[in-house]
Amino acid sequence: GAGVSQSPSNKVTEKGKDVELRCDPISGHTALYWYRQSLGQGLEFLIYFQGNSAPDKSGLPSDRFSAERTGGSVSTLTIQRTQQEDSAVYLCASSVDRGNTGELFFGEGSRLTVL
Amino acid sequence: AQSVAQPEDQVNVAEGNPLTVKCTYSVSGNPYLFWYVQYPNRGLQFLLKYITGDNLVKGSYGFEAEFNKSQTSFHLKKPSALVSDSALYFCAVRDMGRRALTFGSGTRLQVQP
Repeated sequence: GAGVSQSPSNKVTEKGKDVELRCDPISGHTALYWYRQSLGQGLEFLIYFQGNSAPDKSGLPSDRFSAERTGGSVSTLTIQRTQQEDSAVYLCASSVDRGNTGELFFGEGSRLTVL
Repeated sequence: AQSVAQPEDQVNVAEGNPLTVKCTYSVSGNPYLFWYVQYPNRGLQFLLKYITGDNLVKGSYGFEAEFNKSQTSFHLKKPSALVSDSALYFCAVRDMGRRALTFGSGTRLQVQP
């Protein structure tokens, strides 16, 4: 498709279970970002991938969170042993990343609810 | 460290009136500044950006923003608001060395008919 695609759009899980969220970036975009948007809060940076460089993981809130990007395209965000405070909308974005000046294109997000 | 402040949680304006959504930032070095809009149940959409050059930047849907280096501000403006402009607006900043955008907490714009 033409835009950033995320799946699932909604996920309800029980506390303690693991979840995987998927992001398909725009074709040709070398940079991929994950952000988290909690109710009434701004966007919290989680992780950033750029080409073959080591990812910037500085925003991951705990070691229960991890992400990978296979083949420089699709990315998966994994949350292990989910907690109720993990409930949020997880947003993926991609960009051409022209030396930091490129705008980000966002997907519509994956809404995670941890019961 | 880089940061963004949006001091207003909500801005209310009557249709046809000018609107301003405020944003101030803090970065080391020169900033790259962005505005995004989020309509209900939708992803964020890019509105405009300031990288260098003219301090007044024009973007989508008739919006513009003015970069003020001395006040470290990047306020979003529109001369005449539409009801369809009602949405959540985010300011974001990136410094030259850091790749990830830092977003503000968002300002909800409500345009009344």
